[in-house]
Amino acid sequence: AQTIHQWPVAEIKAVGSPLSLGCTIKGKSSPNLYWYWQATGGTLQQLFYSITVGQVESVVQLNLSASRPKDDQFILSTEKLLLSHSGFYLCAWSQQNSGNTLYFGEGSRLIVV
Amino acid sequence: AQSVTQPDARVTVSEGASLQLRCKYSYSGTPYLFWYVQYPRQGLQLLLKYYSGDPVVQGVNGFEAEFIKSNSSFHLRKASVHWSDSAVYFCAVSAGSNNRIFFGDGTQLVVKP
Repeated sequence: AQTIHQWPVAEIKAVGSPLSLGCTIKGKSSPNLYWYWQATGGTLQQLFYSITVGQVESVVQLNLSASRPKDDQFILSTEKLLLSHSGFYLCAWSQQNSGNTLYFGEGSRLIVV
Repeated sequence: AQSVTQPDARVTVSEGASLQLRCKYSYSGTPYLFWYVQYPRQGLQLLLKYYSGDPVVQGVNGFEAEFIKSNSSFHLRKASVHWSDSAVYFCAVSAGSNNRIFFGDGTQLVVKP
């Protein structure tokens, strides 16, 4: 069975500090990977997706970047956090040619102060 | 472009009552349609999905949804709700081919004992 793990579970960071959120998928080779951002109680905004190692497509520019250094890993990062980056970050995977059926991780909660 | 509208931000029902959560989508082709549920401080879980075939699809925990093409709708139903169904429900649409998945704003379901 496939498992998806996100880290850290939660962080409190200062404005202007760097950030790195991670996501690892086990039990699935060559998945499509996604990052979503959710404001408190809000809708989900797709940030990035990746269909293969080293290839990342940006959907929305929020002063964030993403990388896929390995087939099973997806990293979200920024060098300087803004207050607006606060929220819930969700990583998801889908099987290729599955119509984009997403399977989500448990999320990482970020509070920027 | 694809989009999803969930007109009801919050729905309150009594335990044991029937439920319908509304979803309308905008997409010119044949969409992939999804319903997800999100419990507090967790990621999203897939309830059901539809692409083709029988327009009424069954999901987990007694949920079902009906695809009505003429109305561009994909409403979620349950015959008898339980207090544990209290959560936020998201409808989503995808073209299937471009790795873009659009979510509605979500409907918070409150089940009264």
